[in-house]
This record gives sequence, structure tokens and C-alpha cells, in this order.
Amino acid sequence: QKEVEQNSGPLSVPEGAIASLNCTYSDRGSQSFFWYRQYSGKSPELIMSIYSNGDKEDGRFTAQLNKASQYVSLLIRDSQPSDSATYLCAVTDTGNQFYFGTGTSLTVIP
Amino acid sequence: ETGVTQSPTHLIKTRGQQVTLRCSSQSGHNTVSWYQQALGQGPQFIFQYYREEENGRGNFPPRFSGLQFPNYSSELNVNALELDDSALYLCASKVGGVDTQYFGPGTRLTVL
Repeated sequence: QKEVEQNSGPLSVPEGAIASLNCTYSDRGSQSFFWYRQYSGKSPELIMSIYSNGDKEDGRFTAQLNKASQYVSLLIRDSQPSDSATYLCAVTDTGNQFYFGTGTSLTVIP
Repeated sequence: ETGVTQSPTHLIKTRGQQVTLRCSSQSGHNTVSWYQQALGQGPQFIFQYYREEENGRGNFPPRFSGLQFPNYSSELNVNALELDDSALYLCASKVGGVDTQYFGPGTRLTVL
């Protein structure tokens, strides 16, 4: 059973702070790693993808991948109230099938 | 906007009925996946279609079935609806062989 684990939260941070979201996965053969943001009642939207160990930055977002530890994280710098949402971690296997975590609820307090 | 559309937006059915949900892929995308997302959970993979053939299936019973058409649009059919089928049903499209997929807005199914 391939599992993706996330802390369900809720995680609360003040506006302007750094939000740190974490995810672990069970399948060492996982190929690709994604972070999606999902606002209440809406569908997931892709924030970032990461494929190799290390950091990947895109604006205020940084994804970090450590395949040896089977760990992927997302940092959100200068958090804004509009970042308040559920963040879903997803990984793919060798067959390109996606496995999602249950999501971490983030609230940014003005 | 991802270019992926789904219909209907909301649907209410009673237990035992059948339902068909529809998805139109983003232009140029030949692969469609369907997901079920229960409240408070992450999306669960139902199945994937590539060029009109099912090429992957999650842990869902056979009463969940699908089709993909030559224009790469897709249907999800669910027979003998159960109360636990109440969920947000999402489709996502991508180009085959590429990981990045994009979700449609979803269909909210309520089974009474």
C-alpha cells in the first residue's frame, strides 16, 4: 500500500511569516512530487513540481525533496491571508499513478 | 483556469441509481484521470484513460466504469449508488508520458 502522509493541521501562521508544510511517502520508487493548493469547495491547483533532490524555488514558494528520507516539504515565505487553503502533497509511481495525502489546512492570520 | 471542464457542477441522486459524469480535457491532452475526494480527504485515484484505453485503476469496485472518446473527453459512470459515493469527483488531464496534470472544477455528487 503506497501511502502519502501529511499533518492535517490546522497550521496557523501570522501574515508575513514562513509557513512550513511537510509530507512523507512510503514508496521508494516514487518518481515525481507535487504540491497542490485547494481552496474550500474548489478543485486542486498545481503550485509546484519537483523531481530531484534539493530545493526548487518559484516566487514565494520553495519545495524541498529528500529521497533518502522519503520526505518532501513546501515553504511559503511572506505568507498572505490569500494563502489560507488546504495544501495537498502528491507523488507518482513508475506508472505515473498519483497518490495524494489528506492535506494540511493552513490559516494565515492577518 | 486549467481548460478542463466538468459537468454537471452538482448532482443529487438516491441510493441504487446510476450516474454519469462528464469531463472535457484541456486541448492537446490525451490522458484523463478520475478521482474521488471525500470530505476532509485527499483525492483517491479511480482510473486513468490514455487514448481511449483504461491503463490504470485504483481500488474501486467494477460499478465504477469509464470511457474516453476520440476527442479525449471522458465519462465516469457509477452504478448502484451507495451513500458513501457522496463526494467531489475530479477529473484531471495531461499529456501521456508527462507527469503534470491539471484538474477540472469537479462535480459534487450527493447520494441520499
